[in-house]
Amino acid sequence: GQQVMQIPQYQHVQEGEDFTTYCNSSTTLSNIQWYKQRPGGHPVFLIQLVKSGEVKKQKRLTFQFGEAKKNSSLHITATQTTDVGTYFCAGQHSGGSNYKLTFGKGTLLTVNP
Amino acid sequence: GAGVSQTPSNKVTEKGKYVELRCDPISGHTALYWYRQSLGQGPEFLIYFQGTGAADDSGLPNDRFFAVRPEGSVSTLKIQRTERGDSAMYLCASSTSPYSASNTGELFFGEGSRLTVL
Repeated sequence: GQQVMQIPQYQHVQEGEDFTTYCNSSTTLSNIQWYKQRPGGHPVFLIQLVKSGEVKKQKRLTFQFGEAKKNSSLHITATQTTDVGTYFCAGQHSGGSNYKLTFGKGTLLTVNP
Repeated sequence: GAGVSQTPSNKVTEKGKYVELRCDPISGHTALYWYRQSLGQGPEFLIYFQGTGAADDSGLPNDRFFAVRPEGSVSTLKIQRTERGDSAMYLCASSTSPYSASNTGELFFGEGSRLTVL
């Protein structure tokens, strides 16, 4: 079936270090979303990318969508303890329904103060 | 309410029992989704409602799982003859219609119902 692979599975950083998580799909995506889930919490929407090569920024977070629309990344500059949580990418596959999201397994980020 | 509400927050049941999980979406959201999340995994799609109808139930694992949304608002996920493998967090999400020009793609998730089957 359609899958979205996400790496790394875990990432531990010192506060102030940068962090990046990567997402790959074997098939073209119509769009990709990113969610953050705090420990014990529920997924919270961060952003949606639609266009090939798109780059969006939210304060210290930078999101990219690959030119082929098969991969994406989330980069956090100068991590803070409030960034702790699991970051999920979720893709909608081209030619499929425009409501069904396929989530990656997520990257768990821990930050040492 | 302001957000998606799910009840119960925790449910412990015995193998073979019947379980109902309830979701109250954000007012005005016509689209409602059920996802299941196991430990260390991402949410897995179960079913999508647009209004009262189940537009896509392809993610339901087998015929023990069923969901309804009779009035286009509250939805109930029903699990018959529960098995230990059904233990997971069941997440409900709502959104504006994905076919609407104003839709941003954002899914608003509830806090989830954690189901434990002993």
